[in-house]
Amino acid sequence: NAGVTQTPKFRILKIGQSMTLQCTQDMNHNYMYWYRQDPGMGLKLIYYSVGAGITDKGEVPNGYNVSRSTTEDFPLRLELAAPSQTSVYFCASSYMGDTQYFGPGTRLTVL
Amino acid sequence: GQQLNQSPQSMFIQEGEDVSMNCTSSSIFNTWLWYKQDPGEGPVLLIALYKAGELTSNGRLTAQFGITRKDSFLNISASIPSDVGIYFCAGPNNNDMRFGAGTRLTVKP
Repeated sequence: NAGVTQTPKFRILKIGQSMTLQCTQDMNHNYMYWYRQDPGMGLKLIYYSVGAGITDKGEVPNGYNVSRSTTEDFPLRLELAAPSQTSVYFCASSYMGDTQYFGPGTRLTVL
Repeated sequence: GQQLNQSPQSMFIQEGEDVSMNCTSSSIFNTWLWYKQDPGEGPVLLIALYKAGELTSNGRLTAQFGITRKDSFLNISASIPSDVGIYFCAGPNNNDMRFGAGTRLTVKP
């Protein structure tokens, strides 16, 4: 199993640009999550999904959108990038909603 | 929302020393998780605790779920250089997951 994979690893965006961060898991987990981690801080939940077709907001959803059309994929969309969205983004998955397995992260810089 | 307070924020220790860090919350958690994050990597689960009072070990790591369900601690015995990293506590809140701000551990050889 590859576990949780994320692409791209790094990206630089200009203010106002849009992009999609990809996340795929091959563990057949029902739950998937998107977090952001700012320097020196813990992780903050952006959005999560408890199954295909179901998504819900986390602690910091503003400026982001998600979709969950399949069990495996959970892309995160930034429509109008802002400097405040400069962060490291982690995707995670979980079978029952407790222990989560994380991807390697996407480091995003918005200039 | 529920906040997890981790202490200390950072620790500088000598190789071979034991380490203790803890996590507290104003609210009850039914599960406590401890993760380690290496530089440039995602967090990796170290120990999961599911029952108040539970004491669980994973090699040199030992974690306990506090009786009040509002705290947990993590001990590392006989630290080695590869223990360097950031240690996070976390607790699921329904389908949400809350993380502490982390304890940054530096081990001097």
